[in-house]
Amino acid sequence: DTGVSQDPRHKITKRGQNVTFRCDPISEHNRLYWYRQTLGQGPEFLTYFQNEAQLEKSRLLSDRFSAERPKGSFSTLEIQRTEQGDSAMYLCASRGLNEKLFFGSGTQLSVL
Amino acid sequence: AQKITQTQPGMFVQEKEAVTLDCTYDTSDPSYGLFWYKQPSSGEMIFLIYQGSYDQQNATEGRYSLNFQKARKSANLVISASQLGDSAMYFCAMSPLYGGSQGNLIFGKGTKLSVKP
Repeated sequence: DTGVSQDPRHKITKRGQNVTFRCDPISEHNRLYWYRQTLGQGPEFLTYFQNEAQLEKSRLLSDRFSAERPKGSFSTLEIQRTEQGDSAMYLCASRGLNEKLFFGSGTQLSVL
Repeated sequence: AQKITQTQPGMFVQEKEAVTLDCTYDTSDPSYGLFWYKQPSSGEMIFLIYQGSYDQQNATEGRYSLNFQKARKSANLVISASQLGDSAMYFCAMSPLYGGSQGNLIFGKGTKLSVKP
Protein backbone atom coordinates (compact mmCIF):
# COMPACT_ATOMS: atom_id res chain seq x y z
CA ASP A 1 0.00 0.00 0.00
CA THR A 2 1.54 3.27 -1.04
CA GLY A 3 -1.15 5.60 0.33
CA VAL A 4 -0.97 7.95 3.31
CA SER A 5 -0.95 5.98 6.54
CA GLN A 6 -2.08 7.27 9.93
CA ASP A 7 -1.75 5.65 13.31
CA PRO A 8 -3.71 5.06 15.45
CA ARG A 9 -7.11 5.02 13.79
CA HIS A 10 -8.83 5.72 17.08
CA LYS A 11 -7.60 7.21 20.35
CA ILE A 12 -9.56 7.59 23.55
CA THR A 13 -7.91 9.60 26.28
CA LYS A 14 -8.75 11.36 29.49
CA ARG A 15 -8.76 15.12 29.77
CA GLY A 16 -5.33 16.44 30.66
CA GLN A 17 -3.38 13.63 29.05
CA ASN A 18 -0.96 14.09 26.15
CA VAL A 19 -1.55 12.31 22.85
CA THR A 20 0.63 11.83 19.78
CA PHE A 21 -0.45 10.82 16.30
CA ARG A 22 1.75 9.58 13.49
CA CYS A 23 1.48 10.10 9.74
CA ASP A 24 3.46 8.34 7.03
CA PRO A 25 3.04 10.15 3.71
CA ILE A 26 3.28 8.71 0.24
CA SER A 27 6.98 8.01 -0.10
CA GLU A 28 7.85 10.40 -2.92
CA HIS A 29 5.79 13.29 -1.52
CA ASN A 30 7.82 16.06 0.10
CA ARG A 31 4.88 18.08 1.39
CA LEU A 32 2.84 16.96 4.36
CA TYR A 33 -0.26 18.58 5.85
CA TRP A 34 -2.28 18.22 9.04
CA TYR A 35 -5.99 19.00 9.20
CA ARG A 36 -8.66 18.74 11.88
CA GLN A 37 -12.28 17.86 11.17
CA THR A 38 -15.10 18.27 13.64
CA LEU A 39 -18.55 16.79 13.25
CA GLY A 40 -20.54 18.33 10.44
CA GLN A 41 -17.69 20.46 9.16
CA GLY A 42 -15.10 20.27 6.44
CA PRO A 43 -11.46 19.75 7.37
CA GLU A 44 -9.63 22.73 8.83
CA PHE A 45 -5.96 23.31 8.00
CA LEU A 46 -3.53 23.18 10.92
CA THR A 47 0.04 23.10 9.64
CA TYR A 48 2.28 21.87 6.84
CA PHE A 49 5.83 20.77 6.09
CA GLN A 50 7.99 20.86 3.05
CA ASN A 51 10.55 18.16 3.71
CA GLU A 52 11.53 18.70 7.35
CA ALA A 53 10.76 22.44 7.39
CA GLN A 54 7.50 23.51 9.01
CA LEU A 55 6.43 26.35 6.72
CA GLU A 56 3.12 27.26 8.30
CA LYS A 57 2.09 26.79 11.89
CA SER A 58 0.08 29.86 12.72
CA ARG A 59 -3.12 27.90 12.27
CA LEU A 60 -2.30 25.45 15.02
CA LEU A 61 -5.16 25.84 17.43
CA SER A 62 -3.16 26.65 20.54
CA ASP A 63 0.30 26.26 21.98
CA ARG A 64 -0.80 22.84 23.22
CA PHE A 65 -0.55 21.64 19.61
CA SER A 66 2.80 20.90 18.00
CA ALA A 67 3.99 18.97 14.98
CA GLU A 68 7.31 17.59 13.83
CA ARG A 69 8.77 15.98 10.76
CA PRO A 70 12.35 15.40 11.84
CA LYS A 71 13.75 13.57 8.83
CA GLY A 72 11.39 14.80 6.20
CA SER A 73 9.55 11.49 6.07
CA PHE A 74 6.92 10.67 8.72
CA SER A 75 5.34 13.34 10.90
CA THR A 76 3.88 13.46 14.38
CA LEU A 77 1.18 15.71 15.80
CA GLU A 78 1.13 16.10 19.57
CA ILE A 79 -1.59 17.58 21.72
CA GLN A 80 -0.63 18.32 25.30
CA ARG A 81 -3.08 18.58 28.19
CA THR A 82 -5.99 17.49 26.05
CA GLU A 83 -9.39 19.11 26.48
CA GLN A 84 -12.82 17.82 25.52
CA GLY A 85 -12.92 20.37 22.72
CA ASP A 86 -9.97 18.63 21.10
CA SER A 87 -12.20 15.67 20.23
CA ALA A 88 -12.16 15.49 16.44
CA MET A 89 -10.81 13.62 13.45
CA TYR A 90 -7.17 14.51 12.71
CA LEU A 91 -6.31 14.06 9.07
CA CYS A 92 -2.91 13.94 7.44
CA ALA A 93 -2.33 14.55 3.75
CA SER A 94 0.65 14.58 1.42
CA ARG A 95 1.43 16.11 -1.91
CA GLY A 96 4.09 15.67 -4.55
CA LEU A 97 4.91 17.92 -7.46
CA ASN A 98 1.37 18.41 -8.71
CA GLU A 99 -1.56 20.02 -6.95
CA LYS A 100 -3.33 16.89 -5.79
CA LEU A 101 -3.50 16.36 -2.05
CA PHE A 102 -3.96 12.78 -0.86
CA PHE A 103 -5.37 12.10 2.58
CA GLY A 104 -5.00 9.29 5.06
CA SER A 105 -7.89 7.66 6.90
CA GLY A 106 -7.45 9.92 9.90
CA THR A 107 -7.14 9.49 13.64
CA GLN A 108 -10.39 9.87 15.56
CA LEU A 109 -9.65 11.41 18.96
CA SER A 110 -12.13 11.22 21.82
CA VAL A 111 -11.30 13.12 25.00
CA LEU A 112 -13.33 12.01 28.01
CA ALA B 1 -9.96 35.82 2.44
CA GLN B 2 -10.93 32.58 0.80
CA LYS B 3 -14.31 30.97 1.24
CA ILE B 4 -16.10 27.91 -0.11
CA THR B 5 -19.88 27.68 -0.01
CA GLN B 6 -21.82 24.48 -0.48
CA THR B 7 -25.50 25.31 -0.17
CA GLN B 8 -26.90 21.78 -0.31
CA PRO B 9 -26.60 20.02 3.05
CA GLY B 10 -28.13 16.88 1.55
CA MET B 11 -29.06 15.53 -1.86
CA PHE B 12 -30.90 12.46 -3.08
CA VAL B 13 -30.44 10.86 -6.48
CA GLN B 14 -31.84 7.76 -8.10
CA GLU B 15 -29.34 5.08 -9.00
CA LYS B 16 -28.05 5.43 -12.58
CA GLU B 17 -29.10 9.07 -12.83
CA ALA B 18 -26.78 12.09 -12.92
CA VAL B 19 -26.47 14.55 -10.05
CA THR B 20 -24.90 17.99 -9.67
CA LEU B 21 -23.41 19.14 -6.39
CA ASP B 22 -23.05 22.89 -6.09
CA CYS B 23 -19.97 24.82 -5.01
CA THR B 24 -19.23 28.53 -5.13
CA TYR B 25 -16.04 30.14 -4.01
CA ASP B 26 -14.54 33.48 -3.18
CA THR B 27 -10.88 34.40 -3.41
CA SER B 28 -8.59 37.30 -4.17
CA ASP B 29 -5.81 35.03 -5.44
CA PRO B 30 -5.24 35.33 -9.19
CA SER B 31 -4.36 31.65 -9.52
CA TYR B 32 -6.02 28.92 -7.57
CA GLY B 33 -7.00 25.29 -7.65
CA LEU B 34 -10.39 23.76 -7.03
CA PHE B 35 -10.86 20.25 -5.67
CA TRP B 36 -13.59 17.80 -4.88
CA TYR B 37 -13.23 15.07 -2.29
CA LYS B 38 -15.49 12.21 -1.28
CA GLN B 39 -15.71 11.13 2.35
CA PRO B 40 -17.54 7.86 2.99
CA SER B 41 -18.62 6.87 6.48
CA SER B 42 -15.20 5.26 7.03
CA GLY B 43 -13.74 8.76 7.22
CA GLU B 44 -11.07 8.73 4.53
CA MET B 45 -10.98 11.75 2.22
CA ILE B 46 -10.83 10.44 -1.34
CA PHE B 47 -9.55 12.76 -4.07
CA LEU B 48 -11.98 12.94 -7.00
CA ILE B 49 -11.09 15.77 -9.34
CA TYR B 50 -8.99 18.92 -9.71
CA GLN B 51 -9.42 22.09 -11.77
CA GLY B 52 -6.87 24.86 -12.10
CA SER B 53 -8.16 28.39 -12.49
CA TYR B 54 -6.07 28.74 -15.62
CA ASP B 55 -7.47 25.60 -17.27
CA GLN B 56 -9.53 26.36 -20.35
CA GLN B 57 -11.37 23.06 -20.33
CA ASN B 58 -13.48 21.53 -17.61
CA ALA B 59 -11.81 18.66 -15.79
CA THR B 60 -13.13 15.12 -16.11
CA GLU B 61 -12.20 11.94 -14.27
CA GLY B 62 -14.28 8.95 -15.26
CA ARG B 63 -17.85 9.53 -14.06
CA TYR B 64 -16.88 12.82 -12.43
CA SER B 65 -16.74 16.15 -14.19
CA LEU B 66 -16.26 19.64 -12.86
CA ASN B 67 -18.44 22.38 -14.30
CA PHE B 68 -16.12 25.35 -13.87
CA GLN B 69 -17.63 28.79 -14.46
CA LYS B 70 -14.97 31.29 -13.53
CA ALA B 71 -17.05 34.43 -13.97
CA ARG B 72 -19.69 33.03 -11.64
CA LYS B 73 -17.06 31.63 -9.27
CA SER B 74 -18.67 28.25 -9.31
CA ALA B 75 -17.16 24.76 -9.50
CA ASN B 76 -20.00 22.28 -9.49
CA LEU B 77 -19.35 18.55 -9.43
CA VAL B 78 -21.35 16.39 -11.82
CA ILE B 79 -21.56 12.66 -11.15
CA SER B 80 -22.97 10.69 -14.03
CA ALA B 81 -24.67 7.29 -13.75
CA SER B 82 -24.86 7.33 -9.94
CA GLN B 83 -24.04 4.14 -8.08
CA LEU B 84 -25.01 3.03 -4.59
CA GLY B 85 -21.37 3.33 -3.58
CA ASP B 86 -21.47 7.05 -4.37
CA SER B 87 -23.44 7.66 -1.17
CA ALA B 88 -21.09 9.78 0.96
CA MET B 89 -20.19 13.31 1.99
CA TYR B 90 -18.73 15.43 -0.79
CA PHE B 91 -16.47 18.37 -0.07
CA CYS B 92 -15.46 21.19 -2.36
CA ALA B 93 -12.12 22.86 -1.59
CA MET B 94 -9.73 25.42 -2.98
CA SER B 95 -6.18 26.61 -2.49
CA PRO B 96 -3.95 29.30 -3.96
CA LEU B 97 -1.36 28.04 -6.39
CA TYR B 98 1.38 30.43 -5.32
CA GLY B 99 2.60 32.06 -2.18
CA GLY B 100 2.89 30.89 1.38
CA SER B 101 -0.54 29.27 1.47
CA GLN B 102 0.09 27.17 -1.62
CA GLY B 103 -1.54 23.81 -1.21
CA ASN B 104 -3.40 24.69 1.98
CA LEU B 105 -6.94 23.67 1.21
CA ILE B 106 -9.98 25.60 2.41
CA PHE B 107 -13.01 23.31 2.54
CA GLY B 108 -16.73 23.86 2.36
CA LYS B 109 -19.13 22.27 4.83
CA GLY B 110 -19.97 19.45 2.48
CA THR B 111 -23.01 17.88 0.84
CA LYS B 112 -24.32 14.51 1.90
CA LEU B 113 -25.31 12.52 -1.16
CA SER B 114 -27.66 9.58 -0.84
CA VAL B 115 -28.18 7.28 -3.83
CA LYS B 116 -31.51 5.47 -3.87
CA PRO B 117 -31.84 2.02 -5.45
